[in-house]
Amino acid sequence: GAGVSQSPSNKVTEKGKDVELRCDPISGHTALYWYRQSLGQGLEFLIYFQGNSAPDKSGLPSDRFSAERTGGSVSTLTIQRTQQEDSAVYLCASSLAGQSTDTQYFGPGTRLTVL
Amino acid sequence: SQQGEEDPQALSIQEGENATMNCSYKTSINNLQWYRQNSGRGLVHLILIRSNEREKHSGRLRVTLDTSKKSSSLLITASRAADTASYFCGVDYKLSFGAGTTVTVRA
Repeated sequence: GAGVSQSPSNKVTEKGKDVELRCDPISGHTALYWYRQSLGQGLEFLIYFQGNSAPDKSGLPSDRFSAERTGGSVSTLTIQRTQQEDSAVYLCASSLAGQSTDTQYFGPGTRLTVL
Repeated sequence: SQQGEEDPQALSIQEGENATMNCSYKTSINNLQWYRQNSGRGLVHLILIRSNEREKHSGRLRVTLDTSKKSSSLLITASRAADTASYFCGVDYKLSFGAGTTVTVRA
C-alpha cells in the first residue's frame, strides 16, 4: 500500500511568515511522529500522537511550533513567525501502534527554507 | 529525548568489504534501532535490538548491543554499492539521531 506522504516537498518562505506542513500517515497506523533534520545535525524529535491520547509535545522547540492530527489520520505541523533557524527538513513518520518496538515508516520530508 | 551518537562520521570501503559503525547513548533504553538514509529512499528502518538482546542478525546486517557500555555496533558484511548511505541509530520511540555515519562503497 501507499507509504507516508508529505506535502509540500519544498517550501520557501520569508522570515516572519507562517507555514503549514502536512503529513498523511499509512492507513491504519495509530501513531504519528514529527521530526526535524537539520544539515549535519541529525534528527530531532518534535511531537508524537498516539490514538486519542494527548500528544507528547516535549520536543517542540518553541511555542511558535504546533501540530494537530485530525480524525486520527492526517497531521499538520504549523510554524508561526518563521525564523531562519527553522530551515530544515521536516520528517513525518507513522507506526502501527506507537510502541517502542514498532518500526517507524518515514515520509520523504518537507524541505523548509526561511529566507 | 535521548540521542544516539554515531561513530565514525565517515567510512569509505571497497565493494565486498565489511563496514562497521558504532553508536553510543547516555541512559537506559528499552531498545535501539538502526536506520539508513539515502537520497533515493529517505529514512528506512534496518533493524531493532531489544535491551535484553546482545546480538541480532538480519541478512547482511549484524547488530550488537552492550548495555553496560551504552553502545551498539552495526556491521554490514560483503558491502555493495547500494549500501552507500548515511546510517543512524536511535533509542526507544522518540528517535533522535546524531549526524550519522556516512558510508561510501567504492566499486
